[in-house]
Amino acid sequence: GAVVSQHPSWVICKSGTSVKIECRSLDFQATTMFWYRQFPKQSLMLMATSNEGSKATYEQGVEKDKFLINHASLTLSTLTVTSAHPEDSSFYICSATQWEGQSDTQYFGPGTRLTVL
Amino acid sequence: RKEVEQDPGPFNVPEGATVAFNCTYSNSASQSFFWYRQDCRKEPKLLMSVYSSGNEDGRFTAQLNRASQYISLLIRDSKLSDSATYLCVVNSLGNTDKLIFGTGTRLQVFP
Repeated sequence: GAVVSQHPSWVICKSGTSVKIECRSLDFQATTMFWYRQFPKQSLMLMATSNEGSKATYEQGVEKDKFLINHASLTLSTLTVTSAHPEDSSFYICSATQWEGQSDTQYFGPGTRLTVL
Repeated sequence: RKEVEQDPGPFNVPEGATVAFNCTYSNSASQSFFWYRQDCRKEPKLLMSVYSSGNEDGRFTAQLNRASQYISLLIRDSKLSDSATYLCVVNSLGNTDKLIFGTGTRLQVFP
């Protein structure tokens, strides 16, 4: 099956710093990747749709200047949390879609746990 | 009203039991439906897609009722390893790639 990796798997940083998270599709090309955030005991919330070679599409309420997304190649998308604050502490998960005959299937990366002190 | 609603549980069942999870969705135009499994502090993993005719994969059976906008997942002969959170997932209106997740139903299987 399709494999998606994320790096780092966890990160602890000081308030005010920026953190970059990488999402890679290892064995397939993904023109579209997605970034989600999940707070404890809550569902995954879509933050943005990342399209290779174009600007990301952000969901309502997600600040595009705070969460910078770059999808420079068909196998890599990055999410940078700029000027991170404790309320940004969350589990960030990316996914990439692969066409599987009848529909697109989303495969998820293992997630990145961000803790902002 | 939430776009995808699930009973959060937890469902505590003994090994070997049969357990059913339900899910309702609000957008009648949704076309794709899935059940994902998420273990604690891990990413979601696709358990199965849900088709209009219903489908089965081993001990897991999924059903879809478009008229009632209702999806179900039945797990037979529960195993300890089935303990996880089960997420009902529906695609959003107008975009087949955009998924809306329910909050999940927690299952705990005990010996």
